[in-house]
Amino acid sequence: GAVVSQHPSWVICKSGTSVKIECRSLDFQATTMFWYRQFPKQSLMLMATSNEGSKATYEQGVEKDKFLINHASLTLSTLTVTSAHPEDSSFYICSARDTWRGWETQYFGPGTRLLVL
Amino acid sequence: AQKITQTQPGMFVQEKEAVTLDCTYDTSDPSYGLFWYKQPSSGEMIFLIYQGSYDQQNATEGRYSLNFQKARKSANLVISASQLGDSAMYFCAMNGGYGNKLVFGAGTILRVKS
Repeated sequence: GAVVSQHPSWVICKSGTSVKIECRSLDFQATTMFWYRQFPKQSLMLMATSNEGSKATYEQGVEKDKFLINHASLTLSTLTVTSAHPEDSSFYICSARDTWRGWETQYFGPGTRLLVL
Repeated sequence: AQKITQTQPGMFVQEKEAVTLDCTYDTSDPSYGLFWYKQPSSGEMIFLIYQGSYDQQNATEGRYSLNFQKARKSANLVISASQLGDSAMYFCAMNGGYGNKLVFGAGTILRVKS
């Protein structure tokens, strides 16, 4: 149980275009999902908390207009990188909140590698 | 604020031997959870084990056990009988506080030698 998928797994785009990444909880409903960014050989950096039916909560320093998050249903959150530039190239990974033996746990998707040319 | 410290950037272990990955934490919250995740080269984050701050016993899941020493604020991961497939980055994390967000350590790269 507690499977999270992400699509696409890889995306290459030209500078100035927008890219949408989907995060789905496959076998459970998630009122809360999280979006992280990870640079090579570094830890995960939380970008925002996505809440179903309400606006996302962004971490300090993350541009809301740059990284648009929509959590339209209990199983789907999307991250749109608008007007992508080479510095947005990174590994983006989402997680969904569920419980494990009664304890709140985050289950992660497989991640999306974004390369902006 | 919560903080996780992993002081070992990299570790080597011989196949079939046990290895301990260190993790210390800092928090002022009385209630918190401690997690270990494995990240292989593919990038996915795999949940391994959880320890609650009020748990009296150390958590165990198969070959993984968490050595929880609350007074020392440490939550070390012990992997017994290492396998080649255990080679990966390992992250210690904790949640608690406002929003119950996960705070991650810097990670430890584990390499299992045959």
